[in-house]
Amino acid sequence: DIQLTQSPSFLSASVGDRVTITCRAGQGISSYLAWYQQKPGKAPRLLIYAASTLQSGVPSRFSGSGSGTEFTLTISSLQPEDFATYYCQQLHRYPVTFGQGTKLEIK
Amino acid sequence: QVQLQESGPGLVKPSETLSLTCSVSGDSISRYYWNWIRQPAGKGLEWIGRIYVSGSTNYNPSLKSRVTMSIDAPKNQFSLKLTSVTATDTAVYYCVREGPIVDDAFDVWGQGTVVTVSS
Repeated sequence: DIQLTQSPSFLSASVGDRVTITCRAGQGISSYLAWYQQKPGKAPRLLIYAASTLQSGVPSRFSGSGSGTEFTLTISSLQPEDFATYYCQQLHRYPVTFGQGTKLEIK
Repeated sequence: QVQLQESGPGLVKPSETLSLTCSVSGDSISRYYWNWIRQPAGKGLEWIGRIYVSGSTNYNPSLKSRVTMSIDAPKNQFSLKLTSVTATDTAVYYCVREGPIVDDAFDVWGQGTVVTVSS
């Protein structure tokens, strides 16, 4: 299985901050990486696919980059509704795997 | 607008079989791969497997010996069976669409259904 390691696991930030979450893959996955946002009690929501393509309807303050083994999700200016848990996912090889999650909390 | 809805028992006894169905509305089930994901309370996401209308499946090797997925195209539904359950199978179970337009990422999710394994 391809292991994905997110850092940090917990992040405390303020409204208006710029934040970056990193996802490292245990082996190269080209650009077959997606990012999801999950709020308590809700299903995950697709934010970014193919490492850097913004899903329809997702605000432009979200962006993704990377290829191979290192990827980043950046939120340019945090809004109150962005405080949630974020997961990366690799779709390069089965079984599909997810990172352990990054919980973004209000400072 | 595509919507997915999971249904099935919320409580399953240890050693028995967990059975869930996902009903798809707003689009044809024949056009996509369909997945099951689970999430234990307070933990991360685990991919269980996927199925296509042809019946072709891919399962997570960690669960493969206990998982069976099926699809009923006329009813626009697909199903999950997980045998010999234990407390570690207690989780929220999601049915999810794999979207070819989004490079096979998971673009539509059901709301999730809680399944508890307990006697």
